[in-house]
Amino acid sequence: AQSVTQLDSHVSVSEGTPVLLRCNYSSSYSPSLFWYVQHPNKGLQLLLKYTSAATLVKGINGFEAEFKKSETSFHLTKPSAHMSDAAEYFCVVSANAGNMLTFGGGTRLMVKP
Amino acid sequence: DTGVSQDPRHKITKRGQNVTFRCDPISEHNRLYWYRQTLGQGPEFLTYFQNEAQLEKSRLLSDRFSAERPKGSFSTLEIQRTEQGDSAMYLCASSSGIGSVSGELFFGEGSRLTVL
Repeated sequence: AQSVTQLDSHVSVSEGTPVLLRCNYSSSYSPSLFWYVQHPNKGLQLLLKYTSAATLVKGINGFEAEFKKSETSFHLTKPSAHMSDAAEYFCVVSANAGNMLTFGGGTRLMVKP
Repeated sequence: DTGVSQDPRHKITKRGQNVTFRCDPISEHNRLYWYRQTLGQGPEFLTYFQNEAQLEKSRLLSDRFSAERPKGSFSTLEIQRTEQGDSAMYLCASSSGIGSVSGELFFGEGSRLTVL
């Protein structure tokens, strides 16, 4: 069984300040972990993925995430928020070859000017 | 546009009616997935196909839900005798499915269902 918990349903930051979106996972197997982003009226887009290589993963648009097995965490960060980062972010786990992804509940990121 | 396309984008129906959604995946992708997303929640896996074979359907929400991918290209998701609780966004995604887990699914913009 696998599950994902996103610890904040809403995060608000000012433009130019750091972003931290928190995610904890549970998996019976060595998991693959992902962050997806959903802009309004747009399809979900992959930001980055961890598949047992380097624990610090870099993604698109300056985002990165660090896999910490001891803490079962996979938090998403960005050094400086941009207005265009405002969106819904989903932490996702997959533990099988069927690519059946289990999504967290999502974190809505708001960026204030 | 060569992305995943879904049709219709919006559907309003009365309780008890049947509805069908269509998904056209990226042409070279052999895997196709259906997810459901309700307001304020993350997408929930329903079923997936590898080519025309439906490899997982135990997560379909009830026997009123069915999906097909007859020729391994486009897919349809049908909901019979709709209920108000079926109101949601239905998402389709595709992937190449080559090798081990890649995790990169390409999602369509979804079909929003409203059941009155």
